[in-house]
Amino acid sequence: EVQLVQSGAEVKKPGESLKISCKGSGYSFTSYWIGWVRQMPGKGLEWMGIIYPGDSDTRYSPSFQGQVTISADKSISTAYLQWSSLKASDTAMYYCVSQRDYGDYVGYWGQGTLVTVSS
Amino acid sequence: DIQMTQSPSSLSASVGDRVTITCRASQGISNSLAWYQQKPGKAPKLLLYAASRLESGVPSRFSGSGSGTDYTLTISSLQPEDFATYYCQQYYSTPPWTFGQGTKVEIK
Repeated sequence: EVQLVQSGAEVKKPGESLKISCKGSGYSFTSYWIGWVRQMPGKGLEWMGIIYPGDSDTRYSPSFQGQVTISADKSISTAYLQWSSLKASDTAMYYCVSQRDYGDYVGYWGQGTLVTVSS
Repeated sequence: DIQMTQSPSSLSASVGDRVTITCRASQGISNSLAWYQQKPGKAPKLLLYAASRLESGVPSRFSGSGSGTDYTLTISSLQPEDFATYYCQQYYSTPPWTFGQGTKVEIK
């Protein structure tokens, strides 16, 4: 069974850095794409970007390019989403997602990581 | 980027009602469309992909149709557990693979 288990909720101050994680299991981690989806409080889903852990090929939505960094460590089947300088507007739930192919639907979702940025 | 416009943004319906949600893409997406259901406090769940293919385990009262730019999710007989927010997503061609803004289905 494919499982994506995300790291726990975070509370940070503006300007701080953060890296959240997503550990995949139950499948070949290097064979599926892993992406991230943002959901701001009370709002809809926004596709942020995706990485292929097999070769670290990474694509970003223009809306998130330069704002976040997506990476993966295939040796521990874990993907990451990181910020170098958080803003209050980064407050949101972040979902890790997985799909079999590039240009495919999201087959699997993590449980979500709530990031709160407040002074 | 391909824009996805869902309608309505919300609706009220009763148990047993037939419910239809539409999703329009800003360009043709060749049936590269998925539908997800999200309940409060939970991650979304895949319902259909390739516009009309039912994900394993999803009740047959859910169905999808459409082509080109216009797609529809239909719930043939609304059940209490179907009250949720529904999102479409296009996954055609290159990223970003955008979502519709969501349709909240509420109890009348």
